[in-house]
Amino acid sequence: EVQLVESGGGLVQPGGSLRLSCAASGFTFSNYWMSWVRQAPGKGLAWVANIKPDGSDKHYVDSVKGRFTISRDNAKNSLFLQMNSLTAEDTAVYYCARDKDGRDYWGQGTLVTVSS
Amino acid sequence: EIVLTQSPATLSLSPGERATLSCRASQSVRSYLAWYQQKPGQAPRLLIYDASNRATGIPARFSGSGSGTDFTLTISSLEPEDFAVYYCQHRSNWPHTFGPGTKVDIK
Repeated sequence: EVQLVESGGGLVQPGGSLRLSCAASGFTFSNYWMSWVRQAPGKGLAWVANIKPDGSDKHYVDSVKGRFTISRDNAKNSLFLQMNSLTAEDTAVYYCARDKDGRDYWGQGTLVTVSS
Repeated sequence: EIVLTQSPATLSLSPGERATLSCRASQSVRSYLAWYQQKPGQAPRLLIYDASNRATGIPARFSGSGSGTDFTLTISSLEPEDFAVYYCQHRSNWPHTFGPGTKVDIK
């Protein structure tokens, strides 16, 4: 059974940093692109970033370029999102998702709240 | 950046009725369009990928059509569990933007 479990969310002050993790199981993690998608409270879905299976290619939405870094550790079946210079606009539930055709499997999300 | 527009914003229907949801792209996304369903407090679920292919385990009452800039998700006969928010998303180029969603609620 495919499972994606996010962790690392929490309350952080504006300008602060946070590192999200996503533990994958039930499939060959190193074969798939992976994505981060976020959803601000009461709002729609927003694609944030994705990464190639070997980690050699990464793409970001403009609003996070230079602040967020997506990475992965295929030996540990894990996906990461390093988030720096956080602002209130980054407050959201962050989901990791497997990229296959669409995003075919999603985790349950981890909440990031940026507030003083 | 490709902008996806969904209409209507809200669709009020009764169980058993047919639902037709629209997604329009600001430029061609070829057939690289997916549809997702999201219920309150839950992660999204993939329904349709590449415009017209049902994802694993998705009931046949869900169908997708279209290519280029105009796409449709049809639910042939609404079941009680289908009342939710539906999003389209493209993967034609980066960023892989989502539409704003259509809420299907009970009339």
